[in-house]
Amino acid sequence: DTVMTQSPLSLPVSPGEPASISCRSSQSLLGRNGYNYLDWYLQKPGQSPQLLMYWGSNRASGVPDRFSGSGSGTDFTLKISRVEAEDVGVYYCMQALHIPYTFGQGTKLDIK
Amino acid sequence: EVQLVESGGGLVQPGGSLRLSCAASGFTFGSHWMHWVRQGPGMGLVWVSRINPDGSITSYADSVRGRFTISRDNARNTLYLQMNSLRAEDTGVYYCARDVTLAGTGPHFGNWGPGILVTVSS
Repeated sequence: DTVMTQSPLSLPVSPGEPASISCRSSQSLLGRNGYNYLDWYLQKPGQSPQLLMYWGSNRASGVPDRFSGSGSGTDFTLKISRVEAEDVGVYYCMQALHIPYTFGQGTKLDIK
Repeated sequence: EVQLVESGGGLVQPGGSLRLSCAASGFTFGSHWMHWVRQGPGMGLVWVSRINPDGSITSYADSVRGRFTISRDNARNTLYLQMNSLRAEDTGVYYCARDVTLAGTGPHFGNWGPGILVTVSS
């Protein structure tokens, strides 16, 4: 199985400060079509997960532009330019190229 | 508005069975791949199974293959997960999720249900 490794696992951030989460894959996520099959999800407290980013760098509908994704192959990053209180929760990366699809362990972001 | 609502969870003894359902509305159900994802207590997300739009293609995580069966009824807009030979480690919240892509460039789980709790315990 493709192993997804996130860091850090805990991320305390002050409001207005930037935040960055790393996700590394044990196999390349670059598909033959040139897309990176890496998605980001956010699970807010007490809620179901929600799609944030797809193909590594495309924001899902309704996601604020303070969120950005980058990376290719095996190394990916999710960045938040200025953290807001509503951004708290657990962030997961997920690879969508190899069956079984696999998630990272999750990064818990909270406000200092 | 897209809605996914799971049902059928509950407490079951080890070795028992449950059938989960996911009622879908607000989109053309029969056009989308559908998935089940679970989350153990205090744990992360684990993909469980997928099914293609007409039900002819299914895939499973190794941990459930041979025990779980995914299926769908497009006339009833409903996704199912038949779970047999349940184990304590199957305990968790089970989510159904819609792959919002139509061109085979996913999956991207653009919609999730609220989840349903399954507890396997004696």
